[in-house]
Amino acid sequence: GNSVTQMEGPVTLSEEAFLTINCTYTATGYPSLFWYVQYPGEGLQLLLKATKADDKGSNKGFEATYRKETTSFHLEKGSVQVSDSAVYFCALESGSARQLTFGSGTQLTVLP
Amino acid sequence: GAVVSQHPSRVICKSGTSVKIECRSLDFQATTMFWYRQFPKQSLMLMATSNEGSKATYEQGVEKDKFLINHASLTLSTLTVTSAHPEDSSFYICSARETVTDTQYFGPGTRLTVL
Repeated sequence: GNSVTQMEGPVTLSEEAFLTINCTYTATGYPSLFWYVQYPGEGLQLLLKATKADDKGSNKGFEATYRKETTSFHLEKGSVQVSDSAVYFCALESGSARQLTFGSGTQLTVLP
Repeated sequence: GAVVSQHPSRVICKSGTSVKIECRSLDFQATTMFWYRQFPKQSLMLMATSNEGSKATYEQGVEKDKFLINHASLTLSTLTVTSAHPEDSSFYICSARETVTDTQYFGPGTRLTVL
């Protein structure tokens, strides 16, 4: 079946540091890949997505590239801010109903 | 952007009672809604896929008689936890797929505590 393996947290960084959160997946076919963010007390929000190999999703300074050869979709940001503190979920979409399969989530804390 | 609401946000009930959680898409129509369960410090686990006007499709291991799902309109799906027990205590999250943009939007979740 499908699965998503995500870098375990928590991750603590200083403001303006470089962020990488690793994500690899196992799936049949050609899934779409997503990063969702969950801020404290809020629901999940779509951060970025990529629908085919070599696509790069980007939003709010975050980027992730769909790498089919390594089955990866690592999240990066060049300079994090305190406001980026949240839980980040990697996910893939597949199946006839296009269900999402989530990774375990990574808690990011950015210190001023 | 599109908004999905859940009600209640938090509920505490006694063991053996039933609890209904509502999921509404506020400004869009959703033919498909999803129900997830999230354990502390763990990922979201898909429980079922809810299609408007038809029976929900449950994931393996999810008891359909315990977790009743009704998707009676294009903007409302409900999850009823029947005869709740302490092990049903969890964070329940719904999402709705917006037809035009084909994007899945998530509700803020409902914290269920069964005493």
